[in-house]
Amino acid sequence: NAGVTQTPKFQVLKTGQSMTLQCAQDMNHEYMSWYRQDPGMGLRLIHYSVGAGITDQGEVPNGYNVSRSTTEDFPLRLLSAAPSQTSVYFCASSYNGRGSGNTIYFGEGSWLTVV
Amino acid sequence: TQLLEQSPQFLSIQEGENLTVYCNSSSVFSSLQWYRQEPGEGPVLLVTVVTGGEVKKLKRLTFQFGDARKDSSLHITAAQPGDTGLYLCAGSALRAGNMLTFGGGTRLMVKP
Repeated sequence: NAGVTQTPKFQVLKTGQSMTLQCAQDMNHEYMSWYRQDPGMGLRLIHYSVGAGITDQGEVPNGYNVSRSTTEDFPLRLLSAAPSQTSVYFCASSYNGRGSGNTIYFGEGSWLTVV
Repeated sequence: TQLLEQSPQFLSIQEGENLTVYCNSSSVFSSLQWYRQEPGEGPVLLVTVVTGGEVKKLKRLTFQFGDARKDSSLHITAAQPGDTGLYLCAGSALRAGNMLTFGGGTRLMVKP
């Protein structure tokens, strides 16, 4: 069972470079989201999607773009990486986005360092 | 400032001790979840509480949702080294389309 798959696991970028973090889920979940995790900050929501073709901003969207062309995939794009974007990124999916009565499945994380 | 404040941030105890982790907010949540995260992995759901005053038990772990649905606690009885990890609370509220808002986490270390 693949669940939520994120790639790459580790990435080092130079300031100003662009890259895409890939996320795929095979559970036919409508809701997908991206979080970043920094020490002492828990997980903060970057962007989320309630279904194919629909995306919205979370708590910390600046510097990131997303798209949802299919139910399975939800890539996160950094257009011009900055050192402040050094973090661990988690993709998550669920049947719907609400915590109540739903299990949210997380990927294993992508460690990004911007130098 | 975070919507959900967890305390303590760090906790180091001996095997066999009891501990309580708190998750507090000034906002009301429709539900609250507790997750446990191990190094190099994503968070894994432990429990969801929905009703004010609700208490749920998971073996040696007891979770409580405050009467006003603004706070929650996690109590571990007779902690074991296998309980070591990062514990995160997360609330579901009307803001952000009912997506989860996470607390800052409590890093627990249980020494044998």
